Amino acid sequence: KAGVTQTPRYLIKTRGQQVTLSCSPISGHRSVSWYQQTPGQGLQFLFEYFSETQRNKGNFPGRFSGRQFSNSRSEMNVSTLELGDSALYLCASSWAGTENTEAFFGQGTRLTVV
Amino acid sequence: QKEVEQNSGPLSVPEGAIASLNCTYSDRGSQSFFWYRQYSGKSPELIMSIYSNGDKEDGRFTAQLNKASQYVSLLIRDSQPSDSATYLCAVKSPAMYYGGSQGNLIFGKGTKLSVKP
Repeated sequence: KAGVTQTPRYLIKTRGQQVTLSCSPISGHRSVSWYQQTPGQGLQFLFEYFSETQRNKGNFPGRFSGRQFSNSRSEMNVSTLELGDSALYLCASSWAGTENTEAFFGQGTRLTVV
Repeated sequence: QKEVEQNSGPLSVPEGAIASLNCTYSDRGSQSFFWYRQYSGKSPELIMSIYSNGDKEDGRFTAQLNKASQYVSLLIRDSQPSDSATYLCAVKSPAMYYGGSQGNLIFGKGTKLSVKP
């Protein structure tokens, strides 16, 4: 069974640009969450998508957005990149059948803003 | 503000010893608890999940949960150098689950474990 797939693995962008990251969840998983990981702040929740709708949102500015498609694949977008957006962006997928389900992470996208 | 606290370490143990990793959480309503292992430069990998008070064992790993004390721990028996990694404690509250939505996990900053040969 394939795991969570994130593309691309690495990105280098310039301040002010925008970027789109992609996540394909485990087959059958309908919940996709995005996290940002930095050395100073650790892992922080960005947002969750389920059934093509954003269900939960963390404390990040509106420059961070996302969407989910009918096949559960998800994308996140960061506009007007800042140096502080440099981080490892992780996608996690969960089976949404019950409350106590586990989240599995993809390999992440390492974003560097210069 | 819901918080999850872990000692940052590093925690150093000799090969073959028991490594004990601890985590406390602030939200008394939390119901789901997870331990992830993260090697340097890699993504977090789920090791254990625990939902009820008591112990849960899986191979060399034992998770322990005490909801009254708001405390969860991970024991690694017969520690190996390959266990050297950062261990992340994550907590989810039931209020975050709605109609299939899984809400979000709140992570501690992680404990760095070093197992010396």
